[in-house]
Amino acid sequence: AQSVTQPDIHITVSEGASLELRCNYSYGATPYLFWYVQSPGQGLQLLLKYFSGDTLVQGIKGFEAEFKRSQSSFNLRKPSVHWSDAAEYFCAVGAVNDKIIFGKGTRLHILP
Amino acid sequence: GAVVSQHPSWVICKSGTSVKIECRSLDFQATTMFWYRQFPKQSLMLMATSNEGSKATYEQGVEKDKFLINHASLTLSTLTVTSAHPEDSSFYICSARVGPLNTEAFFGQGTRLTVV
Repeated sequence: AQSVTQPDIHITVSEGASLELRCNYSYGATPYLFWYVQSPGQGLQLLLKYFSGDTLVQGIKGFEAEFKRSQSSFNLRKPSVHWSDAAEYFCAVGAVNDKIIFGKGTRLHILP
Repeated sequence: GAVVSQHPSWVICKSGTSVKIECRSLDFQATTMFWYRQFPKQSLMLMATSNEGSKATYEQGVEKDKFLINHASLTLSTLTVTSAHPEDSSFYICSARVGPLNTEAFFGQGTRLTVV
């Protein structure tokens, strides 16, 4: 069965520091992978997606993610976080029947 | 990007009543729409998938008679929570996609349902 694991429930980083949010997936075929961000009480915004090709994907707001098939990972990175990046981040995998399965999310806290 | 609008943003209703939530794709036609439920500080759980003109496909454990989904047109899907109970209180989010999986799914802003 398809699944997504985000091992970190909370991450705290200082403003200006680098960020990496971890994501591991389980899927039998080549996956479609996504990262979404959610602010409190809001819907989801797509940061980036991977379908095929270059394994390093650039997204909006300075985020990037790298698909590593050997590790079944799709970690999200940003070289320098801003206070406005504080939010909930969800990794997701596209599954059979066009479903999108979400991980449990990682809440990012930013220290001033 | 495309816009998906959910209405209402929040609603409070009494136990036993029904509540309808609308999900509209404003500037594109959505062949597939999804309804998710999100409990506080938790992930999104897929409830059902609907395709325009056909019955929704519900995930295991989701009561289809309680959560009625109608994909009436290529721009509108509705979720009706029937005979609502306090345990139905949650954040409901819809998403819409114009094509197959490799096209972006756009999410509504969500609806906070509180049943008292």
